[in-house]
Amino acid sequence: EAQVTQNPRYLITVTGKKLTVTCSQNMNHEYMSWYRQDPGLGLRQIYYSMNVEATDKGDVPEGYKVSRKEKRNFPLILESPSPNQTSLYFCASSLGARVGSTDTQYFGPGTRLTVL
Amino acid sequence: GESVGLHLPTLSVQEGDNSIINCAYSNSASDYFIWYKQESGKGPQFIIDIRSNMDKRQGQRVTVLLNKTVKHLSLQIAATQPGDSAVYFCAENIAGRRALTFGSGTRLQVQP
Repeated sequence: EAQVTQNPRYLITVTGKKLTVTCSQNMNHEYMSWYRQDPGLGLRQIYYSMNVEATDKGDVPEGYKVSRKEKRNFPLILESPSPNQTSLYFCASSLGARVGSTDTQYFGPGTRLTVL
Repeated sequence: GESVGLHLPTLSVQEGDNSIINCAYSNSASDYFIWYKQESGKGPQFIIDIRSNMDKRQGQRVTVLLNKTVKHLSLQIAATQPGDSAVYFCAENIAGRRALTFGSGTRLQVQP
């Protein structure tokens, strides 16, 4: 089954404790992206990756890091989480490297992160 | 800054009626638009898309209309069903950017 998986689905942590949220897709997609979703703000892009070893900042990259060492994986790293990073996070992937093509973005199920 | 927005945060309709969800965008450089459906506890799911060189596109029970003159996008759902209850997002791609900009969403509630 074609899908995007994220782990963990739920995480409660404390300020300053490094964490990683994993994202994996089995569709051989080139483009992968991370979003955060907050009430009233919709989805905002954190980082995206056009392909292996090619990552770039989205609209809200501060406090986050990503890596793309393999095509299927795109982990989101919070080196020193803060309470304002409490949010619902979504990973997405699409076949095309150019957003705006007819390639659909597939979203993962989400990771709800709480930083105390 | 320019952003994608929605006219109504919540829309309540009777089962079997048609639903219309609206979206306003302000960036004239946007060349591609998508509607997503997000059910509780799930990630957004693609519904339908439209390019800026079109003004209408139809899918199964859904139609997207694009009015570039007034920068307005709408999603029409025919014969709305309880399973259509969800939050609907419009998203735009600004030409030359490699990211989608999402609106804040409209919640559709289908009354039996």
